[in-house]
Amino acid sequence: ETGVTQSPTHLIKTRGQQVTLRCSSQSGHNTVSWYQQALGQGPQFIFQYYREEENGRGNFPPRFSGLQFPNYSSELNVNALELDDSALYLCASSPGTANEKLFFGSGTQLSVL
Amino acid sequence: GENVEQHPSTLSVQEGDSAVIKCTYSDSASNYFPWYKQELGKRPQLIIDIRSNVGEKKDQRIAVTLNKTAKHFSLHITETQPEDSAVYFCAAIRAGNMLTFGGGTRLMVKP
Repeated sequence: ETGVTQSPTHLIKTRGQQVTLRCSSQSGHNTVSWYQQALGQGPQFIFQYYREEENGRGNFPPRFSGLQFPNYSSELNVNALELDDSALYLCASSPGTANEKLFFGSGTQLSVL
Repeated sequence: GENVEQHPSTLSVQEGDSAVIKCTYSDSASNYFPWYKQELGKRPQLIIDIRSNVGEKKDQRIAVTLNKTAKHFSLHITETQPEDSAVYFCAAIRAGNMLTFGGGTRLMVKP
């Protein structure tokens, strides 16, 4: 059984650029959620994908978008990066849409300069 | 939406002592309350969870209690060990909704 893997582990971008983060879900899990964790804070829900469709969204602007692929892997895209987007981005997979018993990846640390 | 507050933000205990972390939530419809442990530089990991139809749940040295009337729940760690040092997050969710995390508690266990 493989765990949740994310790539890249670290990324440095400049303001205004675009970024794509990737996540492979745990084997057997069909739901992927993305979270933003600012330094010293709890993770904040960005959105969830189930069967390749967005299935819930937190309080994030439209420049945060995502995709889920037939193999349940997922991408998070952020356009027009702002300094405040600097954070750890966590992907979590679960066997259903209930957001219970999440398995998190190790995250992508994004720095926007 | 749901709002989860967590206290204290930092907690220092001596090895062998007990540690208690408390959370309050705002949405009375919330029915699932997990606790995650995040060691420095690592992923959050689920350590225990409780549903709203249960008042207490234990797993070895870890227990969680839930008071639905007061809308608060607590994590209890007994006989703390240095490897318990980490940031602990509580969270709350209601069916079909998103998971809302507390701000975290940094627990330091001194040998």
